[in-house]
Amino acid sequence: NAGVTQTPKFQVLKTGQSMTLQCAQDMNHEYMSWYRQDPGMGLRLIHYSVGAGITDQGEVPNGYNVSRSTTEDFPLRLLSAAPSQTSVYFCASSYSGGRATNEKLFFGSGTQLSVL
Amino acid sequence: LAKTTQPISMDSYEGQEVNITCSHNNIATNDYITWYQQFPSQGPRFIIQGYKTKVTNEVASLFIPADRKSSTLSLPRVSLSDTAVYYCLVGDTFSGGYNKLIFGAGTRLAVHP
Repeated sequence: NAGVTQTPKFQVLKTGQSMTLQCAQDMNHEYMSWYRQDPGMGLRLIHYSVGAGITDQGEVPNGYNVSRSTTEDFPLRLLSAAPSQTSVYFCASSYSGGRATNEKLFFGSGTQLSVL
Repeated sequence: LAKTTQPISMDSYEGQEVNITCSHNNIATNDYITWYQQFPSQGPRFIIQGYKTKVTNEVASLFIPADRKSSTLSLPRVSLSDTAVYYCLVGDTFSGGYNKLIFGAGTRLAVHP
């Protein structure tokens, strides 16, 4: 199994551009989520999904859109990139569906995004 | 209120045992305590999880006292490769009942030769 795969690994955008960060998992996990991590800080939850067709907002959803058309894929869209969105983005998945008290997340290797 | 509180940073030397304590005074009855490890330029990695008493695996031990208001991650005989950020998580949920897995700033462990 490849686990959680994120593409691209690095991306540079100009302010106002749009792009999609890709995330795919091959573990048949129902729960998937996106985090951002700013330098020296912890991870903040952007959006999450508990199954195909079901998404919801996390702590910092503004400026980002998500959709979940398949169990495997959970893309994150930046509609109009801003310098404040410069960050490292991590995708994560979990087998326990988002309600288990013993949730365990599996993370991808991250996408480093710079917005100029 | 923050769900967990842990030291911002710790220093150790190779071969020593490192104990990182996390305070979670408002832990709910059903909550588990989960620790993740994050190396530079990588995503966090699950290392250990427990509910009460002691849990041990090939990477670490987790000690949880009876009142469960704190937990201690113990790394035996650390090496340079244990230099990482360690996060302690306890349960929290959004209004719809789904888990809100919040990673704070974590504890930055530096292991020196």
